[in-house]
Amino acid sequence: ETGVTQTPRHLVMGMTNKKSLKCEQHLGHNAMYWYKQSAKKPLELMFVYSLEERVENNSVPSRFSPECPNSSHLFLHLHTLQPEDSALYLCASSQELASYTGELFFGEGSRLTVL
Amino acid sequence: EDQVTQSPEALRLQEGESSSLNCSYTVSGLRGLFWYRQDPGKGPEFLFTLYSAGEEKEKERLKATLTKKESFLHITAPKPEDSATYLCAVQANSNDYKLSFGAGTTVTVRA
Repeated sequence: ETGVTQTPRHLVMGMTNKKSLKCEQHLGHNAMYWYKQSAKKPLELMFVYSLEERVENNSVPSRFSPECPNSSHLFLHLHTLQPEDSALYLCASSQELASYTGELFFGEGSRLTVL
Repeated sequence: EDQVTQSPEALRLQEGESSSLNCSYTVSGLRGLFWYRQDPGKGPEFLFTLYSAGEEKEKERLKATLTKKESFLHITAPKPEDSATYLCAVQANSNDYKLSFGAGTTVTVRA
């Protein structure tokens, strides 16, 4: 496999459920990101990891919990979500954290629906 | 706070009908301005980086230009496969990694 792979592609969960989103990059990159994309709104940066160390937590509620066990894998653990958390969650990677070209490689996203 | 505004929100074109998308930005010291393309059900795909006013980049039917306040993405003689949402983002000198995105312009090209 190549690029950035996200699973599952679609997820429906109740407000009391616990689920996880998974991201894997096969590009040998050192930085990984979680973005939230809601309809007709700009992408919102949620978390940033560089060499498995979290460098950004952009005021994200604690019901979202990231995990980066190594530089190739990134998880987003979800619990007691709200309906307004329904969105497309995108994982991205870049060669280095301070990527001067601004080139991020995105996965296809996980479409989350909270009932 | 960095701000990016894209217009129009949606654009419907006939095949071959050239047009331009606008990205207005406010940033304290521009490090770079970036254009991405996003197809339905997919993640964004990187197109261009522009660093300074006057710079231009081209790729097939797309041409991106940059001034001190805005960027334009010109689509020349578009084809149906150019239909997508085009996203603009900026990065400030003061920030090593954070991109501030606009909401995008959705382009539909009819055959």
